[in-house]
Amino acid sequence: QKEVEQDPGPLSVPEGAIVSLNCTYSNSAFQYFMWYRQYSRKGPELLMYTYSSGNKEDGRFTAQVDKSSKYISLFIRDSQPSDSATYLCAMRAGANNLFFGTGTRLTVIP
Amino acid sequence: GAVVSQHPSWVICKSGTSVKIECRSLDFQATTMFWYRQFPKQSLMLMATSNEGSKATYEQGVEKDKFLINHASLTLSTLTVTSAHPEDSSFYICSARNRAPGGETQYFGPGTRLLVL
Repeated sequence: QKEVEQDPGPLSVPEGAIVSLNCTYSNSAFQYFMWYRQYSRKGPELLMYTYSSGNKEDGRFTAQVDKSSKYISLFIRDSQPSDSATYLCAMRAGANNLFFGTGTRLTVIP
Repeated sequence: GAVVSQHPSWVICKSGTSVKIECRSLDFQATTMFWYRQFPKQSLMLMATSNEGSKATYEQGVEKDKFLINHASLTLSTLTVTSAHPEDSSFYICSARNRAPGGETQYFGPGTRLLVL
């Protein structure tokens, strides 16, 4: 079983839609949760960073962590064509290495 | 957010030559730096972790004599691919960890695309 599971998609939505991206994990020691956005041929860009459970909002992006269910989500409101990218979830326990999901490819259609 | 730079952004070389890739944290001192490799449409694969002034820790299956990592300072790490071969062609991405309120965050460089002919 992989440490982190993420639906690879691809996911296509019309412009303005609400996008929901999700990851599940098996290691209950994970405490730090991140979402990265990666455009083609570019390095990952940190979008959201959350410690432990709860919600965090930044503009059109909301990250949710449910440690009891070992489930994290990223919501994108009013999606734009510029949001088209691969979204990677990542998490770690303490100072340990990051564990990544496989990434979900998102296309927002104008 | 914090900025991590990489140089060069892309390189083409002949088989058998060595290639050096630089990674710099521009506006923070990195507690730890990482090197990843990414194949098309796949997630990042951790190659090694390095702390300033100490030897890098390599992941299983990564040849330390082939992928030389030097972490000279808190803002600079280099990856040298020695005697490169076509199978080393890949997208190499460095990452640096920064202390931040609530814990350490990790930022990625823009990546270096290596093509070995």
